[in-house]
Amino acid sequence: NAGVTQTPKFQVLKTGQSMTLQCAQDMNHNSMYWYRQDPGMGLRLIYYSASEGTTDKGEVPNGYNVSRLNKREFSLRLESAAPSQTSVYFCASSALGLSGGITDTQYFGPGTRLTVL
Amino acid sequence: GDSVTQMEGPVTLSEEAFLTINCTYTATGYPSLFWYVQYPGEGLQLLLKATKADDKGSNKGFEATYRKETTSFHLEKGSVQVSDSAVYFCALNTGANSKLTFGKGITLSVRP
Repeated sequence: NAGVTQTPKFQVLKTGQSMTLQCAQDMNHNSMYWYRQDPGMGLRLIYYSASEGTTDKGEVPNGYNVSRLNKREFSLRLESAAPSQTSVYFCASSALGLSGGITDTQYFGPGTRLTVL
Repeated sequence: GDSVTQMEGPVTLSEEAFLTINCTYTATGYPSLFWYVQYPGEGLQLLLKATKADDKGSNKGFEATYRKETTSFHLEKGSVQVSDSAVYFCALNTGANSKLTFGKGITLSVRP
């Protein structure tokens, strides 16, 4: 199993450009998440999808959109990139079982390092 | 709202030293508590977890006990190795769609 995969690994954009970060998981998990990691800030949740067909905002959703394409794939789109979106982006997934997910482990991808000039 | 507070870093230790990384939390209800580790250039991976009060999570020589009375989940290891150099994140989950709330993370460097 590959687990959680993300593409691309690195990306440089100019202010105003758009791009989509791709994420896929092969663990048959129900829930998927997008985080950004910034120095001294920990990880902050951007958007999440509790199940196929649903998406919800996290802590820092402004400037982003998401699509849960199917159970495996969850993409993050920047429509008009800004320097403040320079960050490392992580995708994660979890089973979200019958317990409601309180004991679930999240599995993370390797990250995408994005620089916006 | 829910929050996790970790001690300020970075932390630098010599090999075989004892490690303690403090973590306290604020949460409604009874959360599950986690420690995740991020090795250089990689994503996060679960180190250990505890799902109810007084539970002890353990893995790779690391331990943490869920202390409800002090709302803490401190990470300990008796003898660190150079390979333990990484960023450590404390996190909690109150059960809302498996969402995690993370602390800011602390960088541990272990020198030979």
